[in-house]
Amino acid sequence: AQSVTQLGSHVSVSEGALVLLRCNYSSSVPPYLFWYVQYPNQGLQLLLKYTSAATLVKGINGFEAEFKKSETSFHLTKPSAHMSDAAEYFCAVSDAPGGFKTIFGAGTRLFVKA
Amino acid sequence: ETGVTQTPRHLVMGMTNKKSLKCEQHLGHNAMYWYKQSAKKPLELMFVYNFKEQTENNSVPSRFSPECPNSSHLFLHLHTLQPEDSALYLCASSQTSSGSYEQYFGPGTRLTVT
Repeated sequence: AQSVTQLGSHVSVSEGALVLLRCNYSSSVPPYLFWYVQYPNQGLQLLLKYTSAATLVKGINGFEAEFKKSETSFHLTKPSAHMSDAAEYFCAVSDAPGGFKTIFGAGTRLFVKA
Repeated sequence: ETGVTQTPRHLVMGMTNKKSLKCEQHLGHNAMYWYKQSAKKPLELMFVYNFKEQTENNSVPSRFSPECPNSSHLFLHLHTLQPEDSALYLCASSQTSSGSYEQYFGPGTRLTVT
């Protein structure tokens, strides 16, 4: 069965500092992996996805994530945090045919200090 | 309208009321989903529809009744709810035949049961 673990329910960084949000997954087959972002009073928005092509995936707003099979990890990074990055971030995994069953992590809330 | 829309955005209802949530996707997708998002809990998949047919019912109580008249519209009928049903209800859609599996979310309906 597939599962997702996000390490740290809250992460706080200073503006301009590196953002690192951690995600580990479990899947019995090569997975599809996603990072979504949710701003207050909004739905989830896709940041980036891994679909077995390049292991380093670039997304919107300067975010990227690296798929590491040996570590079963898909951590999200951004070199320099901006105040507008403050939001909740969700890692998700899907390995079922058609992608109907996507499992989401519990989320990590990112705070950015001025 | 573009993307995935949900109405109403906010709903307050008593435990004896009957109400419905509406979701519409303007993306030409074939699959639609209902999720429940409660504070401090992971996103919970409730129902999945593929080409109007229900493919997943994640042990959801019968007081929640979904309806999918066509691939663009999804409803969630609510009756005799409990206070613990208060949450953000998110609708999503995806194009499963594309092989990319990402989901597009609406802004959600904030439901409060009194």
